[in-house]
Amino acid sequence: EPEVTQTPSHQVTQMGQEVILRCVPISNHLYFYWYRQILGQKVEFLVSFYNNEISEKSEIFDDQFSVERPDGSNFTLKIRSTKLEDSAMYFCASRRGGIQPQHFGDGTRLSIL
Amino acid sequence: DAKTTQPPSMDCAEGRAANLPCNHSTISGNEYVYWYRQIHSQGPQYIIHGLKNNETNEMASLIITEDRKSSTLILPHATLRDTAVYYCIVRVDENSGTYKYIFGTGTRLKVLA
Repeated sequence: EPEVTQTPSHQVTQMGQEVILRCVPISNHLYFYWYRQILGQKVEFLVSFYNNEISEKSEIFDDQFSVERPDGSNFTLKIRSTKLEDSAMYFCASRRGGIQPQHFGDGTRLSIL
Repeated sequence: DAKTTQPPSMDCAEGRAANLPCNHSTISGNEYVYWYRQIHSQGPQYIIHGLKNNETNEMASLIITEDRKSSTLILPHATLRDTAVYYCIVRVDENSGTYKYIFGTGTRLKVLA
């Protein structure tokens, strides 16, 4: 069964550095998402992406964040200047369309030192 | 905020049916209910979704009340591997035509040997 894959599984970065989290959504899916989960807390919506543009973003998704689908297969989340509070699990999700559910990857654990 | 409320935790004996309730009293007529689970810090795993009819798949059954204000996820023969946090989600439609999930705190199901 096709699945969403995310790399790396764990990323350790110094505060202030840029980080790029990568996702390969399921191949025939059209809608893409990023969520994050701070340890012990709820899964939080960050951004949705469709037709090569952001559909909606949350208050968390400020100017430090950006998303891109550079080559028709990868979907990336960039954090320009990381802060300690960016430490979290980041989940990518994709869905085909209509009422079809979102399918999630297993996440990237981002640790900011 | 999440449009659903769930009990924070439940226990179930191995081999017995696990019945996980969810209240979604503000659901509107065309909104679907989606169920996911999260094992440890893995990505949320899709289980089932429905609108108003009861649904069944290889993982679970979903019973939605006639007024659609609540639903129950049934795992017919719970195993230790079903120990997880279970999320009931009513998707939030966006003006752009896509939708996002707002996760609540879910129900932590513990299956006991």
